[in-house]
Amino acid sequence: AQKITQTQPGMFVQEKEAVTLDCTYDTSDQSYGLFWYKQPSSGEMIFLIYQGSYDEQNATEGRYSLNFQKARKSANLVISASQLGDSAMYFCAMRTAGGGADGLTFGKGTHLIIQP
Amino acid sequence: DGGITQSPKYLFRKEGQNVTLSCEQNLNHDAMYWYRQDPGQGLRLIYYSQIVNDFQKGDIAEGYSVSREKKESFPLTVTSAQKNPTAFYLCASRTLNTEAFFGQGTRLTVV
Repeated sequence: AQKITQTQPGMFVQEKEAVTLDCTYDTSDQSYGLFWYKQPSSGEMIFLIYQGSYDEQNATEGRYSLNFQKARKSANLVISASQLGDSAMYFCAMRTAGGGADGLTFGKGTHLIIQP
Repeated sequence: DGGITQSPKYLFRKEGQNVTLSCEQNLNHDAMYWYRQDPGQGLRLIYYSQIVNDFQKGDIAEGYSVSREKKESFPLTVTSAQKNPTAFYLCASRTLNTEAFFGQGTRLTVV
């Protein structure tokens, strides 16, 4: 079975500082993908970044980067130069290729609050 | 604009009633999904469908039913057998090499 663990229920960060949101995962599959989504108070899930298990480079998308450490099974999200609009819930998720099942497995999320 | 439309945004259900949540996408995606989110929790998979006229149970399918008669549509029925249906429901879709795109969600409350 797949499992995602996010150990930070909430974080307060000063505006313009960098933020690291932790995510560890557990799977026996060799082929998998890791995702980060942002959920503002309105409820929709906004895709931020993706990392494939065979990707050699860490993924980057604008201010977002994913610190992928395969041996440690961690996929931390780094937000550079945080902004007030970054305040939201952040979810780490995983999809695996094995077992015939589809869909994402989500962590419980981290509530990030950016303070001016 | 392409996207996923969920309706209604808010839904109230009486005890013992079945209710149906709508999910429509115009992204031409093959796969569609339903997730449930409880307060302070991540999303959990209810059902998914990879092609028309076929669907599979997810992790928490009991008390729910779905249909996939058209590629664009994947309605979810919350039946009276679902003991604790109050939650936020999110529909998503994707094609083979994309991430999942989500709708705006439906907040269901039992009154």
